[in-house]
Amino acid sequence: DGGITQSPKYLFRKEGQNVTLSCEQNLNHDAMYWYRQDPGQGLRLIYYSQIVNDFQKGDIAEGYSVSREKKESFPLTVTSAQKNPTAFYLCASSIGPSGQEEKETQYFGPGTRLLVL
Amino acid sequence: KQEVTQIPAALSVPEGENLVLNCSFTDSAIYNLQWFRQDPGKGLTSLLLIQSSQREQTSGRLNASLDKSSGRSTLYIAASQPGDSATYLCAVRDPGRRALTFGSGTRLQVQP
Repeated sequence: DGGITQSPKYLFRKEGQNVTLSCEQNLNHDAMYWYRQDPGQGLRLIYYSQIVNDFQKGDIAEGYSVSREKKESFPLTVTSAQKNPTAFYLCASSIGPSGQEEKETQYFGPGTRLLVL
Repeated sequence: KQEVTQIPAALSVPEGENLVLNCSFTDSAIYNLQWFRQDPGKGLTSLLLIQSSQREQTSGRLNASLDKSSGRSTLYIAASQPGDSATYLCAVRDPGRRALTFGSGTRLQVQP
């Protein structure tokens, strides 16, 4: 069964603590993304990666970091520098640069809800 | 910078009614437009993708149209059911930007 998994479903962060959200995909996709969703709002891009060992900042990267050591995995770390981390975090993947950009869709994981203690 | 707007923010209709959700975008140079469904506390499920060269796409009771020149898309849901209750998000893919730009969504409630 191909898809994207995110863990944990809920995560609690203490002040000053770094926490890491997991995202794994078995779709053989090259591109992966992290979005943040706040209540009543659309998704905003944090980071994305088009290929292993490469990633770019999105619109709201401050206070976050990522790595892409394996094609299947794209973990997101929420650092203590992120002052307002409470949100719903969604990971997505897509096939990546293929010359058929018009047909490309993104597939989403079930999300991780991050709360601050 | 691309901006995507969805109206209305929330909608409540009786079961069986046909309804239209609206999405507008500011830059018409897009690769495609997608409609997603999001249930509370869940991820996004892709409903329809309309390529820039297409005018509409249909899937079951859903029909999405795209008018690039006016920067608008509509999602038409026929014979609505309580199971259609969810938030519907519109997103566009721009050339030169790999990620999607999302609207804030329309929260739909279908009353039995």
